[in-house]
Amino acid sequence: AQKITQTQPGMFVQEKEAVTLDCTYDTSDQSYGLFWYKQPSSGEMIFLIYQGSYDEQNATEGRYSLNFQKARKSANLVISASQLGDSAMYFCAMREGLEYGNKLVFGAGTILRVKS
Amino acid sequence: DTEVTQTPKHLVMGMTNKKSLKCEQHMGHRAMYWYKQKAKKPPELMFVYSYEKLSINESVPSRFSPECPNSSLLNLHLHALQPEDSALYLCASSPKLRATEVTHNYGYTFGSGTRLTVV
Repeated sequence: AQKITQTQPGMFVQEKEAVTLDCTYDTSDQSYGLFWYKQPSSGEMIFLIYQGSYDEQNATEGRYSLNFQKARKSANLVISASQLGDSAMYFCAMREGLEYGNKLVFGAGTILRVKS
Repeated sequence: DTEVTQTPKHLVMGMTNKKSLKCEQHMGHRAMYWYKQKAKKPPELMFVYSYEKLSINESVPSRFSPECPNSSLLNLHLHALQPEDSALYLCASSPKLRATEVTHNYGYTFGSGTRLTVV
């Protein structure tokens, strides 16, 4: 079964608009972490934002915020004021448990294109 | 130093060659990872080293041989690869985590990858 589901293969957004990238996850673990990464065409994986399962507040990092709805098992990424440089592949990922060296499992990704 | 450095950035090798990929970090992370990524697909985990010991091998063929000689260095030795092994190979490292702890940089740090082409 898919652990991380990203249902939007591709998204378009107008420059300066906000966009939401969807992510749902499946785990029976009480302790887990959710991550969003950006991967431009150059290939590097850039860490954007993290949400721990016990965090009561939604994470925010600059223009990025994570809309965490624990009961619905969703962790959507919101990018405000989109910029042309935001065009990239975006991955949602999850780490289950607290053991050191637990693997990070990725969703299929969403390609975001920002239009001028 | 908040980087994971991978070398080489690009590698072309024949099916009979032996080559190695190198990954280095100086952030004090004691968990290090190899991921393989095909074009337009998510990264797939290959190996995890925790405290310099192999803790996870995701049933990777033996033509890929990982090595962790010390806490800062991770190698991936390649031998007799197939053209379908052509991919982006990403190394990552991670800090020790507690789910109740919130810090501003709490992610697995990835290197920029090695683009491998097997001919």
